[in-house]
Amino acid sequence: QSALTQPASVSGSPGQSITISCTGTSSDVGGYNYVSWYQQHPGKAPKLMIYEVSNRPSGVPDRFSGSKSGNTASLTISGLQAEDEADYYCSSYTSSSPHVVFGGGTKLTVL
Amino acid sequence: EVQLVESGGGLVQPGGSLRLSCAASGFTFSSYEMNWVRQAPGKGLEWVSYISSSGSTIYYADSVKGRFTISRDNAKNSLYLQMNSLRAEDTAVYYCARDLPAMVTFDYWGQGTLVTVSS
Repeated sequence: QSALTQPASVSGSPGQSITISCTGTSSDVGGYNYVSWYQQHPGKAPKLMIYEVSNRPSGVPDRFSGSKSGNTASLTISGLQAEDEADYYCSSYTSSSPHVVFGGGTKLTVL
Repeated sequence: EVQLVESGGGLVQPGGSLRLSCAASGFTFSSYEMNWVRQAPGKGLEWVSYISSSGSTIYYADSVKGRFTISRDNAKNSLYLQMNSLRAEDTAVYYCARDLPAMVTFDYWGQGTLVTVSS
């Protein structure tokens, strides 16, 4: 059982927006702004999409955005494109063991 | 260009040992904290271990504590993971990942190396 809770799957049509939630506790998501989001295509290494809740690394499209409210963080992808179809994982620093915790992952299907 | 290249994976029997390596290039390795993250077949990501830039601070996931040892050689731009007393549940792709400074996030990942623990 993962420390952070994500929906197993979400779907959307091209051009639409979707949001993936990531729920933790006050010891991780709610207590710190060290929430990150990763995109992983099949057979590939994860790619950083969002860090520190809402910051995008250079090269990540601004269609990807992050936010947080209380113990829940969210990743929103607007203007869905076919290449966005992938698995998405959230992570957070945690004050309890271990050092970093991941969510169980969400499979995004672009219809 | 930042590159992280893992090696050392393979098939090992339960109770056996394996040493993974991660060769870093394209950045000043000695200035960055590093991690190992694994992914069991068809499963999610699991953080395994962290080491500070100097090697003085180390953390482990409870699932590997006492069995795995992380280390680094800054002169060789290399990160290591010594894995002992391996179990079937350690079967996974192991990634080395660089820490974005002070952000507790992984900004670059290697391509991964597969470790299979089976008799």
